[in-house]
Amino acid sequence: DAGVTQSPTHLIKTRGQHVTLRCSPISGHKSVSWYQQVLGQGPQFIFQYYEKEERGRGNFPDRFSARQFPNYSSELNVNALLLGDSALYLCASSRDRGREKLFFGSGTQLSVL
Amino acid sequence: EDQVTQSPEALRLQEGESSSLNCSYTVSGLRGLFWYRQDPGKGPEFLFTLYSAGEEKEKERLKATLTKKESFLHITAPKPEDSATYLCAVQASPDTGRRALTFGSGTRLQVQP
Repeated sequence: DAGVTQSPTHLIKTRGQHVTLRCSPISGHKSVSWYQQVLGQGPQFIFQYYEKEERGRGNFPDRFSARQFPNYSSELNVNALLLGDSALYLCASSRDRGREKLFFGSGTQLSVL
Repeated sequence: EDQVTQSPEALRLQEGESSSLNCSYTVSGLRGLFWYRQDPGKGPEFLFTLYSAGEEKEKERLKATLTKKESFLHITAPKPEDSATYLCAVQASPDTGRRALTFGSGTRLQVQP
């Protein structure tokens, strides 16, 4: 089975632009979470979605939004990009909401210039 | 607020030189403590979950242990392929309503031949 897939792998944007990151979970996994990882730091929680509903939100501004589709894939949107949004954005999936053994994708490296 | 502190930040070992990585945590009722391995440019890869003090788990050259305040990842006779960043994360009790993982900043391990 394929693992968690994310696209694109790399992205360069300028300040003020908008970005959409995409994630396909492992087949059969219904929960998708998004994490931001700044260089040299551990991942920081942004959102969790389960059965197409938001189940958790981290301490991020409203410029960050996400959604989950009927096929359980997910998008993370970031508006009005700031230099500080430059990071590795990780998507993780799990079979259900309560299981914490997260399977991570390889991430999208976002650079904001 | 849940907190995870990992030490040392970086560790350089010779092949075969055993050592331990430390993860100190504070959390409102521990539901689980997780160890992940992360290679450069990749997402974290799940290693272990520990649920209660006194629990131990092993996988090849790695052994994870848990007390009420900290966890150790023991690496026995490491090989160069064990070089990676090791991340520790905690999940709070469901009573808190917090389901996301809180990660530490990781320990960067380099094993030299």
